[in-house]
Amino acid sequence: AQSVTQLDSQVPVFEEAPVELRCNYSSSVSVYLFWYVQYPNQGLQLLLKYLSGSTLVESINGFEAEFNKSQTSFHLRKPSVHISDTAEYFCAVRASGGYQKVTFGIGTKLQVIP
Amino acid sequence: DSGVTQTPKHLITATGQRVTLRCSPRSGDLSVYWYQQSLDQGLQFLIQYYNGEERAKGNILERFSAQQFPDLHSELNLSSLELGDSALYFCASSGAGSGYEQYFGPGTRLTVT
Repeated sequence: AQSVTQLDSQVPVFEEAPVELRCNYSSSVSVYLFWYVQYPNQGLQLLLKYLSGSTLVESINGFEAEFNKSQTSFHLRKPSVHISDTAEYFCAVRASGGYQKVTFGIGTKLQVIP
Repeated sequence: DSGVTQTPKHLITATGQRVTLRCSPRSGDLSVYWYQQSLDQGLQFLIQYYNGEERAKGNILERFSAQQFPDLHSELNLSSLELGDSALYFCASSGAGSGYEQYFGPGTRLTVT
């Protein structure tokens, strides 16, 4: 079974400052990793994912995450946040291959302060 | 718009009652997932169906049941409702070629009074 730990439930950050949202996972098999974002009153939507290949993955709106197998981490970073990034961010993991359920972390609320 | 639809958007009912939440997946997606999101428990995976068959089960209570129909829409049935069942219920779908991405619907907000 897999598990995900998001270490921060809330992260306040000033606009244009950098941010890192931390995610650690636990698994005995190889995994796929995801970050989803949930804007207020909406469902979740995929931000970025790691399936294989380059350990650094990027989203279209400036976020990036790096898969670190030795540290079992998949932290999400952005060098300069905008007000519009205010949302809840969920890290998720699933075992690779076959029909596998996805396990979500508890979420991190990013609050961007003007 | 993810392409996943859920009805109703809001539902208010009393304890002890039974409700049915409906989900239509994205066109062509064979997998449907149900999640419960509450303030104290976060996002909890309930159950997954693939082309009409149950594939994976999570923290789904015995009072809850689900099914996926031949047209691939899915229903989540919640019975003997308790105050603690008040939550947002999300449906998600995925399909071949989606790179394991799940597409989430807008959710149904259930309030049990």
